Amino acid sequence: GENVEQHPSTLSVQEGDSAVIKCTYSDSASNYFPWYKQELGKGPQLIIDIRSNVGEKKDQRIAVTLNKTAKHFSLHITETQPEDSAVYFCAAALDGNNRLAFGKGNQVVVIP
Amino acid sequence: NAGVTQTPKFQVLKTGQSMTLQCAQDMNHNSMYWYRQDPGMGLRLIYYSASEGTTDKGEVPNGYNVSRLNKREFSLRLESAAPSQTSVYFCASRGMEGGMTDTQYFGPGTRLTVL
Repeated sequence: GENVEQHPSTLSVQEGDSAVIKCTYSDSASNYFPWYKQELGKGPQLIIDIRSNVGEKKDQRIAVTLNKTAKHFSLHITETQPEDSAVYFCAAALDGNNRLAFGKGNQVVVIP
Repeated sequence: NAGVTQTPKFQVLKTGQSMTLQCAQDMNHNSMYWYRQDPGMGLRLIYYSASEGTTDKGEVPNGYNVSRLNKREFSLRLESAAPSQTSVYFCASRGMEGGMTDTQYFGPGTRLTVL
């Protein structure tokens, strides 16, 4: 099955700096890659996603890049703010039923 | 529009007891999913239902059963709870509003402790 790995496990950044989280996946057939943000005590919330036919997608301060050859995708957060502090999960979907394989998550801490 | 709702929010069981976790969505979505989240493990798929009337196993189905009661509701049952099932359980749904979407919308979770 699909194996998704996230690095680093914890990331601390100064407010205003950029944060980058990288994920790798194992199955070249995976075609959909979402990123979720989870705040304490809440369910994951989609923040951005990308399909395999696109190399990059941006939404305000958040962007995702995909390298299909290397089988990795990254989340970029610019001009970080304290409210960006949370756990971020990447995932990969293998089939039309959208079964997601999740990474183990990254704790992002934005230091004011 | 409440999105995905889950009940109960918290539950404590003794080993061997049974219970059903309830999930409902009001977005007219076709697909629904059950995940469990353990510390440092991310989310793992237990079961899913691609459409009303169908259910399939995910990555970690042992010890669980599911029922897709209708399009809105998808329940998860633990017949004989074990301490290894202590976890936070999330339900999610996916639909096709305004065209094809891959987005899974998650509920707030049920925190289950098995003693």
